[in-house]
Amino acid sequence: EPEVTQTPSHQVTQMGQEVILRCVPISNHLYFYWYRQILGQKVEFLVSFYNNEISEKSEIFDDQFSVERPDGSNFTLKIRSTKLEDSAMYFCASKPRDTPVEAFFGQGTRLTVV
Amino acid sequence: AQSVTQPDIHITVSEGASLELRCNYSYGATPYLFWYVQSPGQGLQLLLKYFSGDTLVQGIKGFEAEFKRSQSSFNLRKPSVHWSDAAEYFCAVVFMEYGNKLVFGAGTILRVKS
Repeated sequence: EPEVTQTPSHQVTQMGQEVILRCVPISNHLYFYWYRQILGQKVEFLVSFYNNEISEKSEIFDDQFSVERPDGSNFTLKIRSTKLEDSAMYFCASKPRDTPVEAFFGQGTRLTVV
Repeated sequence: AQSVTQPDIHITVSEGASLELRCNYSYGATPYLFWYVQSPGQGLQLLLKYFSGDTLVQGIKGFEAEFKRSQSSFNLRKPSVHWSDAAEYFCAVVFMEYGNKLVFGAGTILRVKS
């Protein structure tokens, strides 16, 4: 069964460093998302991406964040200069078309900023 | 703003007992409704979804949910809980008037006692 794959599963980085979280969405999907979940809190929307551009972003997604689909298969989330409060589980999701259809989530990348 | 409320942070039930997890959402003319389950350290697995039609929907693992538009609710039920159901459950809604992102509730942690 096709699945969304995220790498790495865990990443530890020092405050101020840049990190890139990688996702391989399901191959025929067209809509891509990043969500995050700070430990013990709800899952929050960060950004959606369609047709090679951001279609929507939340207030969390400030200038420190960027997304890219560099090669037609990977979908990346970059955090330019990490802060302690960026520590969270980051989930990638994809879906084949606009709603109504469910999004498929990856297993997540746990980012720890020290 | 669009919101999803799961009023119960923790619920403990005995194995074999019935379960109901509550979910309410703020007004939306066309809500698309989902329940996801997350086991510790794992990703989000879709249990069931409602887009239209029959308001009682069946999902995986013996779960069902009922959409009640008049109450803005989408409660999750299971007639007989198994120890393996212990996990965190998230209700999520897409409010089509506000884009196609998922808005998550805070989650309900289910504990199952033997």
